[in-house]
Amino acid sequence: EAGVVQSPRYKIIEKKQPVAFWCNPISGHNTLYWYLQNLGQGPELLIRYENEEAVDDSQLPKDRFSAERLKGVDSTLKIQPAELGDSAVYLCASSPRDGGTDTQYFGPGTRLTVL
Amino acid sequence: GNSVTQMEGPVTLSEEAFLTINCTYTATGYPSLFWYVQYPGEGLQLLLKATKADDKGSNKGFEATYRKETTSFHLEKGSVQVSDSAVYFCALSNQGAQKLVFGQGTRLTINP
Repeated sequence: EAGVVQSPRYKIIEKKQPVAFWCNPISGHNTLYWYLQNLGQGPELLIRYENEEAVDDSQLPKDRFSAERLKGVDSTLKIQPAELGDSAVYLCASSPRDGGTDTQYFGPGTRLTVL
Repeated sequence: GNSVTQMEGPVTLSEEAFLTINCTYTATGYPSLFWYVQYPGEGLQLLLKATKADDKGSNKGFEATYRKETTSFHLEKGSVQVSDSAVYFCALSNQGAQKLVFGQGTRLTINP
């Protein structure tokens, strides 16, 4: 079974430029998460989707970040414009039902460097 | 709010040594508890989990017991291998919040 796929794996951009990350969850997983992982820290949730509905986006900085999950499968996370402080690893995860007790399966992440 | 505190790293041990990585949590209600591992260049993988008090999670020789009285979920392994070198994250999930809250991670290095 294929795992969570993310692309690109690495991205280097200049500040004020836009950037987008893509995630393909495990087939059949209804719940999709985007996490932000700063260097030396644990991941922090940005947004959670149940199918195509964003049910928890309270930690998403909505002035510059946006996300979508069309058709309840793939998802895209966008930053526009990027700032130096956005340099981090962006992780996508999925789970078959709610993530309260079900395992969340993580992708390899996208490492963003903003210059 | 919910939070997880892990033993600060890095931790360096010799092969076959005994490992303990401490983890304590603060949460409302009865959270589920997890240990995730991140090997170099790879994504986070679930190592083990426990969903109620006194449950013991185990996998690949690692164990952790959900201790409600001490709000702890310490990770242990009796004899570590070089291949166990990785970053270990303790996490909780409160069903009401339905998200994982992670500790800051503990980097483990095992020398041959």
